[in-house]
Amino acid sequence: AQSVSQHNHHVILSEAASLELGCNYSYGGTVNLFWYVQYPGQHLQLLLKYFSGDPLVKGIKGFEAEFIKSKFSFNLRKPSVQWSDTAEYFCAVNAESGGGADGLTFGKGTHLIIQP
Amino acid sequence: DAGITQSPRYKITETGRQVTLMCHQTWSHSYMFWYRQDLGHGLRLIYYSAAADITDKGEVPDGYVVSRSKTENFPLTLESATRSQTSVYFCASGRDREAEAFFGQGTRLTVV
Repeated sequence: AQSVSQHNHHVILSEAASLELGCNYSYGGTVNLFWYVQYPGQHLQLLLKYFSGDPLVKGIKGFEAEFIKSKFSFNLRKPSVQWSDTAEYFCAVNAESGGGADGLTFGKGTHLIIQP
Repeated sequence: DAGITQSPRYKITETGRQVTLMCHQTWSHSYMFWYRQDLGHGLRLIYYSAAADITDKGEVPDGYVVSRSKTENFPLTLESATRSQTSVYFCASGRDREAEAFFGQGTRLTVV
C-alpha cells in the first residue's frame, strides 16, 4: 500500500516570502500525485496534479510542484505567498491501475499561516 | 446546480444512535469515496465505490456501512455512533480510480 509523508505540520511565513512544502511518498510502482488546498471552513480543492510528462507542473494561484522520481518526492512551491494562501495543504497519491488500493492516500497535511 | 453535495452540514447525535450522512453528485462519476478528517491524521478513506452496487473498504471502515443503489448517491451510515466517530466527513467523486477527486463541503458530526 502507498503512504504519504509531509515534512512540515505547521509553517509560518510572511507575505512575499517563498514557499516550499515537502511531500514524499512510498510506493514502488507508478503513481499519480496531487496537491489539494483546504481554506478555513471549506472543502478540499485541487491545486495541481501530476500524471505523466513534464515533471514540473503548474497549478492554480501561482503554485507549482516538481516530481522527482528518484527521490519519491512531489514538493509544492510558490515564489511569493499572499495572506490569502493561509490554508491547510494536503499531498495525495493514487497508485495506477493494478497497484495499491483505490482512492487517494493523503498526507497528514501542512497548516500554512501567512502573516501580513 | 452541478457538483457534489453533502447533507446535513452539521449533525449532533447521541452515542448508540444510527445516523446517515448523504452524498449526491451530478457528474455521473463512476467512483465515489467517503473520507474522515481528524486533527493529526489528515484524511483517511472509509469506504469507496467503483460503480453502482460495488463498494469496498478503505483504511478505516469499522463501524460504518455504505450502499450505492444509484450512481449519483453514496450514503454513509454509522450503525451505532461512538464518540470516536466525531469527525468531519467528506464525500468525493472521481471519473475513474486514477483521476482527481472532487470533494463535497463536508459534514461535521459530533457524537455526544
